[in-house]
Amino acid sequence: GAVVSQHPSWVICKSGTSVKIECRSLDFQATTMFWYRQFPKQSLMLMATSNEGSKATYEQGVEKDKFLINHASLTLSTLTVTSAHPEDSSFYICSARDAADGTTIYFGEGSWLTVV
Amino acid sequence: GNSVTQMEGPVTLSEEAFLTINCTYTATGYPSLFWYVQYPGEGLQLLLKATKADDKGSNKGFEATYRKETTSFHLEKGSVQVSDSAVYFCALSGYSGYALNFGKGTSLLVTP
Repeated sequence: GAVVSQHPSWVICKSGTSVKIECRSLDFQATTMFWYRQFPKQSLMLMATSNEGSKATYEQGVEKDKFLINHASLTLSTLTVTSAHPEDSSFYICSARDAADGTTIYFGEGSWLTVV
Repeated sequence: GNSVTQMEGPVTLSEEAFLTINCTYTATGYPSLFWYVQYPGEGLQLLLKATKADDKGSNKGFEATYRKETTSFHLEKGSVQVSDSAVYFCALSGYSGYALNFGKGTSLLVTP
């Protein structure tokens, strides 16, 4: 089946540094990708919607200057957490909508970010 | 706006018991409905989906029927296994290109 790969799976960084998380669709084209954040034992909160070749659309309350999203190709979107702080520690999950089948969304394995 | 309501967990069942996890939704138009499963420390995996009223999604012994009249998409399995222990999320997608709205998730623990 369709696969979405996230990298890295785990990352630890120091406060004040920036971290980039990649999301790739491996066997399909994704004109739209989504970034979610999940706190322990809670549901997924949509952060932003990323469309290939255009600016991301951020959900209310999400700082676009802190969470930079780039969707430069049909198979790659990146999330960069800038000037990370401990409260940014979370599980970040990307998902991608198959351009050939508009109703199915596939999720990446998620990336654990710990800011120390 | 669109929203999904799931029964709260945790749900604890013995192996081979019957499982039902309730899910109801509120949406405009004709959403697509999904169940995703999340194993500890992992991302979400699509379990099944239904894209129109009366459709039944099924996979790995799990089933859910899209009921427009009751705005429901309850997940069922006739005989659960220990390996089914996970968190299950009900979700809906509105118009094409829109993101998923998730329920809060239901934790399932199956004991031998």
